[in-house]
Amino acid sequence: DGGITQSPKYLFRKEGQNVTLSCEQNLNHDAMYWYRQDPGQGLRLIYYSQIVNDFQKGDIAEGYSVSREKKESFPLTVTSAQKNPTAFYLCASSINRGANYGYTFGSGTRLTVV
Amino acid sequence: KNQVEQSPQSLIILEGKNCTLQCNYTVSPFSNLRWYKQDTGRGPVSLTIMTFSENTKSNGRYTATLDADTKQSSLHITASQLSDSASYICVVSAYSGGGADGLTFGKGTHLIIQP
Repeated sequence: DGGITQSPKYLFRKEGQNVTLSCEQNLNHDAMYWYRQDPGQGLRLIYYSQIVNDFQKGDIAEGYSVSREKKESFPLTVTSAQKNPTAFYLCASSINRGANYGYTFGSGTRLTVV
Repeated sequence: KNQVEQSPQSLIILEGKNCTLQCNYTVSPFSNLRWYKQDTGRGPVSLTIMTFSENTKSNGRYTATLDADTKQSSLHITASQLSDSASYICVVSAYSGGGADGLTFGKGTHLIIQP
């Protein structure tokens, strides 16, 4: 079955640590996205990528980094520069970036600072 | 500034009853409007996508309507089931503006179905 897989489901980070969230898709989608979801707020875009080896900052990119070395994979690193990283992180993909393309979301990773 | 407002913020209804969720938006130029269902601790799942020319779209017991003139949409759930308990998110897509991906997300309506 085609889909988008995020791992781990739960992640705990100590102060000052970098952590990496995995996102893999087998839908042959060109575009991939990372969103952050906080209670009572709409999803906010962190980074997106339209093609391999290219990515763009979203609305809240500070303290995060990404890579897109393969079409199927778009990992997100939450760096120590992100001062409030506790949140639910969602990865999504679409056939292409554009207003008319529907998104497929992963099941999310819940990151907690301990 | 593009905005999507959803109401009510939360809703509790009895199993078997119908309900309607509202979405008002100020997004332009409008491309499409999407409704997603998000179970607790899971990713959103698409229910419907409507373009400017569509004013009704159904997906099983879910029916979405769109009034592009008044910039309003509703999601009607018929004969609710316990599995309908979730957050419902309205997302409006613009050809430009909104977030860097052209999408503006509502904060969602949290629906609880009681037996």
